[in-house]
Amino acid sequence: KQEVTQIPAALSVPEGENLVLNCSFTDSAIYNLQWFRQDPGKGLTSLLLIQSSQREQTSGRLNASLDKSSGRSTLYIAASQPGDSATYLCAVSLNNDYKLSFGAGTTVTVRA
Amino acid sequence: NAGVMQNPRHLVRRRGQEARLRCSPMKGHSHVYWYRQLPEEGLKFMVYLQKENIIDESGMPKERFSAEFPKEGPSILRIQQVVRGDSAAYFCASSPGNNSPLHFGNGTRLTVT
Repeated sequence: KQEVTQIPAALSVPEGENLVLNCSFTDSAIYNLQWFRQDPGKGLTSLLLIQSSQREQTSGRLNASLDKSSGRSTLYIAASQPGDSATYLCAVSLNNDYKLSFGAGTTVTVRA
Repeated sequence: NAGVMQNPRHLVRRRGQEARLRCSPMKGHSHVYWYRQLPEEGLKFMVYLQKENIIDESGMPKERFSAEFPKEGPSILRIQQVVRGDSAAYFCASSPGNNSPLHFGNGTRLTVT
């Protein structure tokens, strides 16, 4: 059974600081890994998707790395802004693209 | 182009009542997925449906829970005789087919009193 852990559970940083969010998973035979953003009372917005054959993906200020052998992924957010305040979720799938195993999330607060 | 639409946004039910949660997928999407987010826990997969077919219900509780996606109309997640432990956020996602990213709705927050 795939277990996904996100550390820390919460993070507070001043505006402009870089953010580093960690995700670990127990079964390295993953199909893909996704990072989502969740705002309070809202749904999930997909930020980045990394296929199992890839090592990283980038979109604007966001960069996600994947190390399958060690069961880890890291999401970097450069030059954080107050608008980046949200909960960030990591999700992995083992052998298809719909049965995602989610971590409990890291709640980020960026202070102006 | 509307996203995944879920209603109601909030639902309050007393113990023993029935809860019906609705999900309209994005236009052009024929695959629907339901996930549940319990307080302080990650989202957990419940069921995957295509029109008139349940493809994978391995995450559904064995009793009281059912899901359908009829030929016409939204997908329905039905919870009979609700208990306090059913209180959670229920998210629906849709995709146009296999190997496509999932698009999530804003969820229905169910509270059982």
